[in-house]
Amino acid sequence: AQKITQTQPGMFVQEKEAVTLDCTYDTSDPSYGLFWYKQPSSGEMIFLIYQGSYDQQNATEGRYSLNFQKARKSANLVISASQLGDSAMYFCAMSPGASMNRDDKIIFGKGTRLHILP
Amino acid sequence: DSGVTQTPKHLITATGQRVTLRCSPRSGDLSVYWYQQSLDQGLQFLIQYYNGEERAKGNILERFSAQQFPDLHSELNLSSLELGDSALYFCASSVEIGQGGAGELFFGEGSRLTVL
Repeated sequence: AQKITQTQPGMFVQEKEAVTLDCTYDTSDPSYGLFWYKQPSSGEMIFLIYQGSYDQQNATEGRYSLNFQKARKSANLVISASQLGDSAMYFCAMSPGASMNRDDKIIFGKGTRLHILP
Repeated sequence: DSGVTQTPKHLITATGQRVTLRCSPRSGDLSVYWYQQSLDQGLQFLIQYYNGEERAKGNILERFSAQQFPDLHSELNLSSLELGDSALYFCASSVEIGQGGAGELFFGEGSRLTVL
């Protein structure tokens, strides 16, 4: 069965520093997708970044990058130059398969609450 | 604005009652997902529909049911409500891989259910 583990329930980081949020996953599927979402205190879920299991390069989106280490089954989110507005809950998620007809039990980790300190 | 619309945003009801949560996916998205987020918890996958048919099922209680209609909107029905059903219920839709997206989910703002 697929599983997502986020071991950091909470983190405090000084503004402008880089921060790494950990995510490890477990799957027997050779093909899968990994996602990160941000949930501010207002509650909405915001898609940040995606990494496919066959992608050769780490995904980047602005200040967000995904440190994908396939052999270690980790997909850590790196936020560069953190800002106060980055304070939120962050969820790592995995979708099994990468085909159009995949069985989409997209599963989420329990999240990491990030606090950016001024 | 993700383009996914959920109603109602807030709902307060009593134990034993039944409620219906409604979701309209983004224009063009055929897949609809329902997730439950209890206090300080991650998102628990409930069920997924694709173009009107159930595609995947998570740990959805028998008291809960869902469907997707021909116009692609979806409803999640929660019956015989218990205190523990109080949660934020999210609907999400997605673009299929190969249709211009990576299959990422676009979430509605959620329906916050409080059972008293």
